Amino acid sequence: AQSVTQPDIHITVSEGASLELRCNYSYGATPYLFWYVQSPGQGLQLLLKYFSGDTLVQGIKGFEAEFKRSQSSFNLRKPSVHWSDAAEYFCAVGPNYGQNFVFGPGTRLSVLP
Amino acid sequence: DTEVTQTPKHLVMGMTNKKSLKCEQHMGHRAMYWYKQKAKKPPELMFVYSYEKLSINESVPSRFSPECPNSSLLNLHLHALQPEDSALYLCASSQQRTGGSPEAFFGQGTRLTVV
Repeated sequence: AQSVTQPDIHITVSEGASLELRCNYSYGATPYLFWYVQSPGQGLQLLLKYFSGDTLVQGIKGFEAEFKRSQSSFNLRKPSVHWSDAAEYFCAVGPNYGQNFVFGPGTRLSVLP
Repeated sequence: DTEVTQTPKHLVMGMTNKKSLKCEQHMGHRAMYWYKQKAKKPPELMFVYSYEKLSINESVPSRFSPECPNSSLLNLHLHALQPEDSALYLCASSQQRTGGSPEAFFGQGTRLTVV
């Protein structure tokens, strides 16, 4: 069965600092991988996705993620964090159309001024 | 248009009430989902509809009753809920065909409080 882990429950960074959020997955084939962001009390917004091809994918709001098959990882990065990036970040695996998306436990990002 | 619209945004209901949550999308997606999310937790899948037919029910209690009247609408009927059912209920949709893009688009959710 597929699973997703996000080792960091909570990360605090200073505004302007770089960011990396970790995601590891377990799946038998190459999965569809996603990063979502959720502000308090809001729905989930898709930041970026990976299906195939270039392993470095660009998303919205200046985020990027790199798929590393050998490490079963899909880490999210941003070179310079803004205060508005403070939110909950979920990594997710979607193995097939219409099947359930499996979410990681989430990483809460706090940003210091 | 990549929007999934959920109504109402907030709902307070008593344990003997009957209410419904509504979800609408006009992206032509043929897979629609209900998720339940408790505070500080990831979304938990409840139901999946594929081409208007229920394809996944994650052992959800019968006090939650989903309905998909057409390809654009998804309802969740609520009856005799318990206080522990208080949560954020999220609707999502995605494509249902090979060659399409399978990411899920989420609504803003309904914040449900059972009193």
